[in-house]
Amino acid sequence: DSGVTQTPKHLITATGQRVTLRCSPRSGDLSVYWYQQSLDQGLQFLIQYYNGEERAKGNILERFSAQQFPDLHSELNLSSLELGDSALYFCASRSGSSDTQYFGPGTRLTVL
Amino acid sequence: GENVEQHPSTLSVQEGDSAVIKCTYSDSASNYFPWYKQELGKGPQLIIDIRSNVGEKKDQRIAVTLNKTAKHFSLHITETQPEDSAVYFCAASDNGGSQGNLIFGKGTKLSVKP
Repeated sequence: DSGVTQTPKHLITATGQRVTLRCSPRSGDLSVYWYQQSLDQGLQFLIQYYNGEERAKGNILERFSAQQFPDLHSELNLSSLELGDSALYFCASRSGSSDTQYFGPGTRLTVL
Repeated sequence: GENVEQHPSTLSVQEGDSAVIKCTYSDSASNYFPWYKQELGKGPQLIIDIRSNVGEKKDQRIAVTLNKTAKHFSLHITETQPEDSAVYFCAASDNGGSQGNLIFGKGTKLSVKP
């Protein structure tokens, strides 16, 4: 158990809909990273937050957004969903004193 | 930006044999190289990592080597066991400039046959 929690485990929705994925980092970790894992693209970095502020952006679509709240949990919002958004979404957290990122169990999103 | 290539994509070995997975990276600024193991239905789990000021690191049956000049690093698993079967990912990060976000290889599916 990495100490990172993600909800829900599975999400099935229809094209055009909007969903919110939630992540709680390990106790004390200020950084949260979001990654998307698909069969054809592998694990891709989406966005990073540090203590409530956006710090880095990767291959994140404009339809996607994220935020980190004062209690350090983070949410990834996916809107106008397309079939191609079906994937596993992972968050990872990292403390300020270490390079290590600890991954959560992921949310499997299926867009029908 | 950084690009990480990983080979092979699949690897099958007999129990007790060694397994080697190789990765190359493109950005000379990268200085942190973790390896993750992902079992079916689970998130990636860190198994070993190495920083650019070190050439080799070992943890029991697992070792990682880094060649900064050639920009490649490798994972070595000795005395493989069936429970080593999983998908392994290498990654690279420059930690400072990119805030630590990881660029991953495409993964290697390792199968250890009893």
